[in-house]
Amino acid sequence: EDQVTQSPEALRLQEGESSSLNCSYTVSGLRGLFWYRQDPGKGPEFLFTLYSAGEEKEKERLKATLTKKESFLHITAPKPEDSATYLCAVQLETSGSRLTFGEGTQLTVNP
Amino acid sequence: NAGVTQTPKFQVLKTGQSMTLQCAQDMNHEYMSWYRQDPGMGLRLIHYSVGAGITDQGEVPNGYNVSRSTTEDFPLRLLSAAPSQTSVYFCASRPRRSSYEQYFGPGTRLTVT
Repeated sequence: EDQVTQSPEALRLQEGESSSLNCSYTVSGLRGLFWYRQDPGKGPEFLFTLYSAGEEKEKERLKATLTKKESFLHITAPKPEDSATYLCAVQLETSGSRLTFGEGTQLTVNP
Repeated sequence: NAGVTQTPKFQVLKTGQSMTLQCAQDMNHEYMSWYRQDPGMGLRLIHYSVGAGITDQGEVPNGYNVSRSTTEDFPLRLLSAAPSQTSVYFCASRPRRSSYEQYFGPGTRLTVT
């Protein structure tokens, strides 16, 4: 069964303490991997799309990378406003429009 | 642009009642989808539409109906609510087949007692 696993489930950082979130997938025929940010009580907000191993995307303090079996979301010198749940999702060549989402990593950045 | 809007924000239903969750987008997006989000389960696709008049089932379609008569609107109907349908429902849209930059609405929190 195709699976998307995110780790850790929750992460607490001090402001300025860099770290990484992981998204691993046991799927074949990956068409794309997507990262979203979700704030409490709101819908997910699109961050990045990655299509092939070795690809990297950056946005402010966030950088997403992709290997053949996992993706990392690196957070450099985080600020309290980076606190949110980060979701990853995969789309397969055989799944048409369907995305399979992971359960997310809840990030808290303390001032 | 308002983006993707959903109504209501909160709803409490009794088992067996029916209702419609509304979703509208003003970005002229072809694709629209409905997801439910449950603790420990992640977001799961209920139904989706690739354009007006075209809908298809997602991962968890049972108990829900959809229709797409216009590009802008994509309502989700609960036919006979059950406690298992207690969840947060999100509508999403995206502009074309090759783009997965989805825009999500703010969600509807539904409780079925």
